[in-house]
Amino acid sequence: DGGITQSPKYLFRKEGQNVTLSCEQNLNHDAMYWYRQDPGQGLRLIYYSQIVNDFQKGDIAEGYSVSREKKESFPLTVTSAQKNPTAFYLCASSIGGQDIETQYFGPGTRLLVL
Amino acid sequence: SQQGEEDPQALSIQEGENATMNCSYKTSINNLQWYRQNSGRGLVHLILIRSNEREKHSGRLRVTLDTSKKSSSLLITASRAADTASYFCATLLQTGANNLFFGTGTRLTVIP
Repeated sequence: DGGITQSPKYLFRKEGQNVTLSCEQNLNHDAMYWYRQDPGQGLRLIYYSQIVNDFQKGDIAEGYSVSREKKESFPLTVTSAQKNPTAFYLCASSIGGQDIETQYFGPGTRLLVL
Repeated sequence: SQQGEEDPQALSIQEGENATMNCSYKTSINNLQWYRQNSGRGLVHLILIRSNEREKHSGRLRVTLDTSKKSSSLLITASRAADTASYFCATLLQTGANNLFFGTGTRLTVIP
């Protein structure tokens, strides 16, 4: 069953704590993305990676970090520097290349602050 | 911001009616895509229209693109209760960043 998986579905963060959201895809896609969605809002790009061992900041990268050591994995760490982390986080992937076609999304992780 | 704006923000219709959503953007695009999101879930790609296309169909979906007005519309015909969801447009710019810019979404409710 091909697709993108995200875990956990819900994540609770204590103040000052770093937490890591998992994103895995078995679609053999080169490009992967992390978005943040606040209630009633559209998606804002946090980080994206077009190839293994390379990633770029999106519009709201401050307080977040990523790694891309494997093609199928693109974990997102929400650091203690992110003062308002409560949101719905979506991971996506696409084939890659010059012109982005379809993006395939995971089911999302909802992050809540205790 | 290059983010698109959907209009209306919310739309409520009876089952069987048609639903029309609009998207406006600011910068010249390579392509424009429409996605659907059920509450609390990930997005699902619906349809892509390129900058040199004016209209595209997929099942009950019809998308138009007017690059002179920098706008697109999504028409869902003969709506069903299962069409209830949020709909987002996303644009790929012609130059610059190679990533999608998402609009703020239209929340569609189809009443059975």
